[in-house]
Amino acid sequence: KQEVTQIPAALSVPEGENLVLNCSFTDSAIYNLQWFRQDPGKGLTSLLLIQSSQREQTSGRLNASLDKSSGRSTLYIAASQPGDSATYLCAVGSNDYKLSFGAGTTVTVRA
Amino acid sequence: DGGITQSPKYLFRKEGQNVTLSCEQNLNHDAMYWYRQDPGQGLRLIYYSQIVNDFQKGDIAEGYSVSREKKESFPLTVTSAQKNPTAFYLCASSKSHTGGGEQFFGPGTRLTVL
Repeated sequence: KQEVTQIPAALSVPEGENLVLNCSFTDSAIYNLQWFRQDPGKGLTSLLLIQSSQREQTSGRLNASLDKSSGRSTLYIAASQPGDSATYLCAVGSNDYKLSFGAGTTVTVRA
Repeated sequence: DGGITQSPKYLFRKEGQNVTLSCEQNLNHDAMYWYRQDPGQGLRLIYYSQIVNDFQKGDIAEGYSVSREKKESFPLTVTSAQKNPTAFYLCASSKSHTGGGEQFFGPGTRLTVL
């Protein structure tokens, strides 16, 4: 069974600092990996999707890398802003349609 | 305006009642999913459906039931057999017919047992 871990559980940084969020998974036979953002009491917003054949994906200030052999993905957010404060979830996709989620990292960006 | 809608936003259930959560999508996606989220935990898969009139149990299906009579709709019933139903319920859909394609989520329904 795929196990997904996100460390740390919470992170607080001053505005302008770069954010580095980590995700690790136990089974390297993945189909894809997806990063989501969740604001309190809301649904999930998809940020980036990395297919298993890709090494990284970029969108604006966001960059996500994938290293299947070591079972790791990292989400980088450049020049953080207070509006980036949210919980970020990593989810690993398998061939049977399922996504396995980490518990998330809650980010606070201090103005 | 394409997307996934869930209703109601808040739902209160008395002990012994069955309740049904609605999920509708107009994205023309084949696959739909139901997840449960508890505080401090990742999302857990309840049921999923790859195509109309077919659905599969996820990791925590006990006490729940679903139907998929239309491509756009995937309602979830929380039965009285579910012992701890208080949670945030999220519906999702994806286009890809094989493998885990990008999933898109609705705004969620918060269920509270009184």
